[in-house]
Amino acid sequence: DTAVSQTPKYLVTQMGNDKSIKCEQNLGHDTMYWYKQDSKKFLKIMFSYNNKELIINETVPNRFSPKSPDKAHLNLHINSLELGDSAVYFCASSQVLGARYTFGSGTRLTVV
Amino acid sequence: DAKTTQPPSMDCAEGRAANLPCNHSTISGNEYVYWYRQIHSQGPQYIIHGLKNNETNEMASLIITEDRKSSTLILPHATLRDTAVYYCIVFNSGGSNYKLTFGKGTLLTVNP
Repeated sequence: DTAVSQTPKYLVTQMGNDKSIKCEQNLGHDTMYWYKQDSKKFLKIMFSYNNKELIINETVPNRFSPKSPDKAHLNLHINSLELGDSAVYFCASSQVLGARYTFGSGTRLTVV
Repeated sequence: DAKTTQPPSMDCAEGRAANLPCNHSTISGNEYVYWYRQIHSQGPQYIIHGLKNNETNEMASLIITEDRKSSTLILPHATLRDTAVYYCIVFNSGGSNYKLTFGKGTLLTVNP
């Protein structure tokens, strides 16, 4: 079983559309994250949820809205997509006080 | 969290040991050294971590200097599949900031 699974793996969409990326972890972790990796390969954290509560919200446009229906799921909804949103988005999870993150395989978003 | 400095790239011959250095001269007493790697098109993968003692697991060894200002990740017998970007990260697991901050890492290329 995949520990952290993201869907879809690839997403191609037009500017202005709204899209969602889903993430699920079956590790029993309390904390989940979204990271963005741009074309220059920098990995930057966007959000973190602990037990369904938002604990980290980096400087991210409010077009991005994370939602955590339970501690095993953290979805990312993006409104009014822009060209600059094209990137690979990684979901991850960890125990609260640990830094042993388990990452998903990523969602490659392409905005055209 | 303390900052880290790594060489941008390194080469290693297949079957030889790969020694990846990391400087973290501003590390504080309660900060751990974590190593992750990212193989092309995959999510980052946890390798090993340590506080002040040397550590070894099935993937690698971590050597931390006595003053804790630098460390070396050792892959004892590098294979082609070890070609990846390796990230050295300093993390305060006792803090309230539950996020891993990735730098630029070292691109290790294992050559046949």
